[in-house]
Amino acid sequence: NAGVTQTPKFRILKIGQSMTLQCTQDMNHNYMYWYRQDPGMGLKLIYYSVGAGITDKGEVPNGYNVSRSTTEDFPLRLELAAPSQTSVYFCASTYGQGPYNEQFFGPGTRLTVL
Amino acid sequence: ILNVEQSPQSLHVQEGDSTNFTCSFPSSNFYALHWYRWETAKSPEALFVMTLNGDEKKKGRISATLNTKEGYSYLYIKGSQPEDSATYLCALDRQSGNTGKLIFGQGTTLQVKP
Repeated sequence: NAGVTQTPKFRILKIGQSMTLQCTQDMNHNYMYWYRQDPGMGLKLIYYSVGAGITDKGEVPNGYNVSRSTTEDFPLRLELAAPSQTSVYFCASTYGQGPYNEQFFGPGTRLTVL
Repeated sequence: ILNVEQSPQSLHVQEGDSTNFTCSFPSSNFYALHWYRWETAKSPEALFVMTLNGDEKKKGRISATLNTKEGYSYLYIKGSQPEDSATYLCALDRQSGNTGKLIFGQGTTLQVKP
């Protein structure tokens, strides 16, 4: 198993540009999550999905959109990039049943908006 | 506002020292408490998931305890080694609508000097 994979690893955007961060998992996990990590702030939940076709907002959804057309893929879309979206983005997944739902994280995407 | 607090924010110890850090959380609607280890330039990896008051988990030189009544968990590292240098994250699962969502603390960054 490759686990959770994310592309790209790094990206520099200009203000106002758009991009999609890709996330794929091959563990047949139902639940997937997008986080952003800012220095000293821990991980903040952007969006999550409990299954194909189902998505919902997390703590910091403004400026982002997601879709979940398959179990495996959970892309994150930035429509109009702003400097405040400079961050490291992590995708994670978990099976979802019971309390022992450790989350498995991808390697992260480091995004800079100039 | 629901806060998961970790202390200290950072810690520097000598190789061989034992150390511990704290995760505090609201005790209402508790479902599970996660600990993750996050090495620089890598992605977070699960250490423990604990659900029961009084739970104690151990993995090698690292152990964790849980007190759900007073809302805290301790992570202990016995005989710290340079390879233990990482950020340790705790995360609370309140089983909000069976979504698997976690609320992360800001982390404790441990630096072990040889």
